[in-house]
Amino acid sequence: NAGVTQTPKFRVLKTGQSMTLLCAQDMNHEYMYWYRQDPGMGLRLIHYSVGEGTTAKGEVPDGYNVSRLKKQNFLLGLESAAPSQTSVYFCASSYGGHSYEQYFGPGTRLTVT
Amino acid sequence: GENVEQHPSTLSVQEGDSAVIKCTYSDSASNYFPWYKQELGKRPQLIIDIRSNVGEKKDQRIAVTLNKTAKHFSLHITETQPEDSAVYFCAASYPQFYFGTGTSLTVIP
Repeated sequence: NAGVTQTPKFRVLKTGQSMTLLCAQDMNHEYMYWYRQDPGMGLRLIHYSVGEGTTAKGEVPDGYNVSRLKKQNFLLGLESAAPSQTSVYFCASSYGGHSYEQYFGPGTRLTVT
Repeated sequence: GENVEQHPSTLSVQEGDSAVIKCTYSDSASNYFPWYKQELGKRPQLIIDIRSNVGEKKDQRIAVTLNKTAKHFSLHITETQPEDSAVYFCAASYPQFYFGTGTSLTVIP
């Protein structure tokens, strides 16, 4: 039981490049989330999904897109990376939504130069 | 949307002393209040949570209190140990999680 995993662990992009972050969970959770963590700002929700085939915007969605084609996977895309997107990205999943524990992945450290 | 404020941003205590971290929230609809611990370079992990129909919850050395009227909740750690050193985040949830900005706790041996 791996829990929540993220790929890749580290990435460096040049401004304007694109990339996709992959999150996978093996706990059969319906809900999945993408957060970014910046120094002094805590965790901020980018996008989330309440089930396969669904996505919704969170607190800071601009510049990101997501897809949930399979229940166990949640992809975060950056179409044209900007230095302001330099951050640590965490994926999380939960069984039952906003009043249940969220299980976090190990994080992806992204640097945009 | 919800606004969660967390204080203090840094906290140093002597081993064995107690530590208290406080959070306030703005949306009275929030009904779930978890606390996460994040060690350096690691993922956040839930340490305790409380729902809006409960005023206090305790788990060994850790306790959380909730005052719905005042819209604030607090984390209490007693008999602190060096391994309690980490960043602690509060959150208020409805319909999504809003996290506080974190408290860096250092326990001095």
